[in-house]
Amino acid sequence: KQEVTQIPAALSVPEGENLVLNCSFTDSAIYNLQWFRQDPGKGLTSLLLIQSSQREQTSGRLNASLDKSSGRSTLYIAASQPGDSATYLCAVGDYKLSFGAGTTVTVRA
Amino acid sequence: DAGVTQSPTHLIKTRGQQVTLRCSPKSGHDTVSWYQQALGQGPQFIFQYYEEEERQRGNFPDRFSGHQFPNYSSELNVNALLLGDSALYLCASSLTTGANVLTFGAGSRLTVL
Repeated sequence: KQEVTQIPAALSVPEGENLVLNCSFTDSAIYNLQWFRQDPGKGLTSLLLIQSSQREQTSGRLNASLDKSSGRSTLYIAASQPGDSATYLCAVGDYKLSFGAGTTVTVRA
Repeated sequence: DAGVTQSPTHLIKTRGQQVTLRCSPKSGHDTVSWYQQALGQGPQFIFQYYEEEERQRGNFPDRFSGHQFPNYSSELNVNALLLGDSALYLCASSLTTGANVLTFGAGSRLTVL
C-alpha cells in the first residue's frame, strides 16, 4: 500500500521568502506525481504533474522535482506572496491517487 | 470551457439516511473518480467509473455505491449514513488515454448529524 507523507504539516513565512515543501512516498514504482493546491473548503487545483520518467516540472514561480529512488518530491515556490497561502497536497498514482495530508502554508504580508 | 461541476455544494443529513451526490465531468473527459476528504486529511479514493462500469475501488464499504451515465456524468450514493461519513466529497474527471491529469470539482460538503 502506498503511503504518502508531507512534512511539515504547517508553515508560516514572510512575503518574498522562498517556500520548500516536501513529500515522501513508500513505493517507488509510481506512475505520476502531482502537486495540488487547495483553498479552505474548496476543491483541488492541479499545479504540476511529473510523469515517472521525468525529474522535474516548472510552471512560473513553481518548480517540482522527483527522485523516485529516494521516494521524494519537493515543491519550490519562489518569492512567495500572500496569495500563495493555501494547503498544498502531493499525490502519487495513475488513476487511483494516494494523497498526503498536505502542508498548510501561510504567507505573511 | 466548463470544468467539473458537483451538486449539491452543501447538505445536512441525519444518521441512517441516504444521500446522492452528482458530478458532471469536464467536457471531453470520459472517466470519473470519487474521493472522500475528512477534515484535516488528504482525499481518500472511493472508486472510479469508466464506460459506465466501476473500474477500481478503494477501501470503502458497500454502503458506498456509484453510477456513471452514458453522458459520462456520475452519482455517488451513500446508504445508512454514519457520523464518520461527514466529509468533503470530491469528484475528479479525466481522459482515460494520455497522462491522466485529473480535474477536480469544488466538492460536496456532507454533514451527518
